[in-house]
Order: sequence, then structure tokens, then C-alpha cells
Amino acid sequence: GEDVEQSLFLSVREGDSSVINCTYTDSSSTYLYWYKQEPGAGLQLLTYIFSNMDMKQDQRLTVLLNKKDKHLSLRIADTQTGDSAIYFCAETPYNFNKFYFGSGTKLNVKP
Amino acid sequence: DVKVTQSSRYLVKRTGEKVFLECVQDMDHENMFWYRQDPGLGLRLIYFSYDVKMKEKGDIPEGYSVSREKKERFSLILESASTNQTSMYLCASRPGVRTGGFRPQHFGDGTRLSIL
Repeated sequence: GEDVEQSLFLSVREGDSSVINCTYTDSSSTYLYWYKQEPGAGLQLLTYIFSNMDMKQDQRLTVLLNKKDKHLSLRIADTQTGDSAIYFCAETPYNFNKFYFGSGTKLNVKP
Repeated sequence: DVKVTQSSRYLVKRTGEKVFLECVQDMDHENMFWYRQDPGLGLRLIYFSYDVKMKEKGDIPEGYSVSREKKERFSLILESASTNQTSMYLCASRPGVRTGGFRPQHFGDGTRLSIL
């Protein structure tokens, strides 16, 4: 299967920016996704980017995609305690049914 | 909004029991998935189904089976539960390939299963 790698933990102070990184191996990825999982809940789609884009901004969230290096990042501006969660990146090739998920990055926001 | 409903949030069963986890989606999605989630291991795919009565093994199918008799329902079966199957189980659904374009997975809230 494809490899999607993330660091396991990130700790930031409230009000700072958070940057969560992800690398993947599949060069045919079409869509790349970020999901958020709050404690005891399922995964919620946070944002996504199409592979022909370099950047996508959605309020406090900025997604950057470097296709050459197969590197995806999620930046959360003005991080709040409510942003504390596990963040998963995922990718899927076009016309393919399976998703490939990273292991998740646990974001801890300190007041 | 897509709704994926898992029948139980918490379940406690005994070793050797046959366990059924049920998942229902209301968006007429062709694809449905079962994952288990364990700390430090992320999501691991157990089985998925791309159509009624169709199924494919994921990365960790041993000890599990699935059933998809109707499009909206995908059941995960633990034939003889063991303690190493204690985990969080997540169901997801997704439109089929023919839909094309943007096709995210939508998740249920999960079932936390404990095998004693």
C-alpha cells in the first residue's frame, strides 16, 4: 500500500500558529484531505486540496501542497484550545476506492 | 449532510462471543469501509465494500468478516471475539468511482469495543 507519514505529537500555546506536516509516496494522488478527530468521536472532514493546487485557504486553515517533495501541511492560525484533537492526513488516487491515512498527529494546545 | 450511523457507541463482550457491529449510511454511497483505530497505529483498514454483496479485504482482515446485503448497511462480524480485538471501530462511506471528482470519506462516531 501507499505510505503516508505524520509526526505523532505537536504542542503549541494558545494564540500561536500550528503547522502539521504530512508526507506521502503516491505520485498519482488526486485529492489530499485533512481530517480532525476530537476525543471519543469519529473523523470529521476539515479541508482538502486538489493535486493541481499549491495552496488553499479556508478561514484559519491554510493547506500547502508541494507535489515535487510529496509534502502536505496544514497551518492553523491563532490556535485555540478547541483545536486540540488528532489530525489525520489522507490521500487517494483518482478513480480508486481506497483511502490512505497517516497515523495522525495529536495537537495539544496549552492555555 | 451525510449521516453515517454506528449502532453502538460502547460495547462490552466476552471472549469467544460472536459480535456484530452495524453501520448505516443515508447518502446512497456505493463504497463502505470498516477501520480499527489503536493508539499510535492510526487507522487500519479491515474490509471495504464497493457495492452490494461485494467485499474486499483490507490490511488486517484476520478474525473479521463483513456482510453487505443492502446498499445502506455494512456489518462487521467478529466470529469469535478475542481480547486483542478490543479497539475503537470506525465505519465510513464514500461515493463510488462513477461519481467522479471530489469524493471524501464520511465517518460514523465510532464504536468502542471491549472484549473481556
